[in-house]
This record gives sequence, structure tokens and C-alpha cells, in this order.
Amino acid sequence: NAGVTQTPKFQVLKTGQSMTLQCAQDMNHEYMSWYRQDPGMGLRLIHYSVGAGITDQGEVPNGYNVSRSTTEDFPLRLLSAAPSQTSVYFCASSYSRGALDGYTFGSGTRLTVV
Amino acid sequence: AQSVTQLGSHVSVSEGALVLLRCNYSSSVPPYLFWYVQYPNQGLQLLLKYTSAATLVKGINGFEAEFKKSETSFHLTKPSAHMSDAAEYFCAVRFTSGTYKYIFGTGTRLKVLA
Repeated sequence: NAGVTQTPKFQVLKTGQSMTLQCAQDMNHEYMSWYRQDPGMGLRLIHYSVGAGITDQGEVPNGYNVSRSTTEDFPLRLLSAAPSQTSVYFCASSYSRGALDGYTFGSGTRLTVV
Repeated sequence: AQSVTQLGSHVSVSEGALVLLRCNYSSSVPPYLFWYVQYPNQGLQLLLKYTSAATLVKGINGFEAEFKKSETSFHLTKPSAHMSDAAEYFCAVRFTSGTYKYIFGTGTRLKVLA
């Protein structure tokens, strides 16, 4: 089915480890973004991209890196994991940043940092 | 400041009763408004949207929402709750002036009682 695919679904990291969360979409969406979801805080934007080769910071970018080498893929890298990064991470995409048709979300990656 | 507020982090209704989930925004210019639903262990799914056409918007699964400019509100309703409606609901706002940000409310978890 067309949509946004995130891997892995679950991950446990030790403090200081690094890892990459994968996100791929097959809808030819120009806009892709990463959110983290924490209880009582809604979704907070980490990084976003308006097209291949173009990325920018969102509301909570510290500790995360992104790149966008193709339209389809938008991986999120945790450089040195900290317990404060324990969260559920969602990748979302849309035709444009304005997202007047709404976002399509992946099913999420639940990350625990111990 | 531009913001979105969802009143009530938890709402409980009996099966068959009216569902009312509240969303208010703060903006001098009417924004675009969205409701998303998140079922357990899944990503967010678009329920409905208001993008300056009809003020009463119908969505999937029998939900609807009415944009009221005078009250700066976009409350989500469903006449008769079903057990399958139990989920978390997020209001989202795409501002049309100033920062042009797209932000999510903190969510309302709906519980449906048998």
C-alpha cells in the first residue's frame, strides 16, 4: 500500500549510542518531516525538508540530524542518545509544506534510551 | 501569539452518546484547521479539514466539525459514539499569516464506555 514506512518499530538504545530512524514514502511528496510525541505535549517538529537536498530545523532539533538525498527517503539520526530522547517518533509527508490536504503519517518508532 | 488549545486531555462518553471534543485557536487571521485521529500503536490519520470553504465539515467515520470564527473554535462532534471511536484526537492548525506554522494540539483521549 502507498504511504509512509518507518523502521524500526521499536528500539532500545544505551545512553551515548547512535542510530538512524528510517522513513520512506512512495507518494512523490515534496515535504517530509519528523515529529516526536510525548505525553501531554502533542507532536513537536524536529526537522523538515521541502525537497531533495533541502532541510531545516523545527522546534526541537538539538541532538538530531537529517539529510534528504532523494525525494523518497528522509532518515533521522540520533548522534549520541540521551534518556530525554525516549519518545515515539513519527515521520509525516505531504505534497507541500502548506499541507492543505493534511499530512500522511508513518506508524511510528518507539524509542527507549536507557 | 498563534496557538491551538484542546480543552480536556481525557473525555469519557457512553456508547451511543454525543461526542464533543473541543479545539480553540488563537490567531488574528482565520487559519486552516484539521482534526486527526490516532488509534493505539498507529500513526495519525486525517479525519477532516477546514480550508475556508464550507464552515461545517464532514469527515470519516461520522465525525464532523464546525468552524466558528466568532468563537475561534473548531470543535469535533459525532452524534452517537461507538466503541471503535476510542482513540486519541488531535486538532491541528495551519496559520495563514505571521509564521505560517502548522502546529498540533496536545490531544484528547476519548474513552467510550459500554
